[in-house]
Amino acid sequence: KQEVTQIPAALSVPEGENLVLNCSFTDSAIYNLQWFRQDPGKGLTSLLLIQSSQREQTSGRLNASLDKSSGRSTLYIAASQPGDSATYLCAVSPRNAGNMLTFGGGTRLMVKP
Amino acid sequence: EAQVTQNPRYLITVTGKKLTVTCSQNMNHEYMSWYRQDPGLGLRQIYYSMNVEVTDKGDVPEGYKVSRKEKRNFPLILESPSPNQTSLYFCATGHRGGSYEQYFGPGTRLTVT
Repeated sequence: KQEVTQIPAALSVPEGENLVLNCSFTDSAIYNLQWFRQDPGKGLTSLLLIQSSQREQTSGRLNASLDKSSGRSTLYIAASQPGDSATYLCAVSPRNAGNMLTFGGGTRLMVKP
Repeated sequence: EAQVTQNPRYLITVTGKKLTVTCSQNMNHEYMSWYRQDPGLGLRQIYYSMNVEVTDKGDVPEGYKVSRKEKRNFPLILESPSPNQTSLYFCATGHRGGSYEQYFGPGTRLTVT
């Protein structure tokens, strides 16, 4: 059964820092990997989706990479801002069921002004 | 505007009183799903639907029912709610053409006393 782990569980950084969030998964036979942002008590917002054939995706200050063979993905946030404070979740879907997401526990990010 | 809506957003009820949480989407997505989110357990899938009249169990289906009579709606039914169903519930949609990138509703916070 797929297991998804996110380390660290919580992270506090000063504004302006570049930072990396980590996601690891146990089964490399994935269909895609998706990064989400969740603000307290709110829904999930899709940030980036990486298909299994891709190595990375970029959107603005965000860059996500995927290394299927090692079962890892990273989310890079450049020049962090207080508005980036949220919980970041990664989720993977299996090759034979692209709709079925397994989520990691999330990284709670605090960016201090 | 592309939207996933859930109603109600907040609900406090008593054990055994049947309730329905509605989910509606305007993106013509064939795939819809329900998740619950609990502290320490993360997001877990309850039920999903690949298309109209096609539903299947997720990881934690006990105590829940769903139906998919129309493409845009996917209600979650709790026939006899119990306190262990107190949780934050999310509806999500996706479509195969978009690599099943999933879009989440705003959430429904349910408390069963």
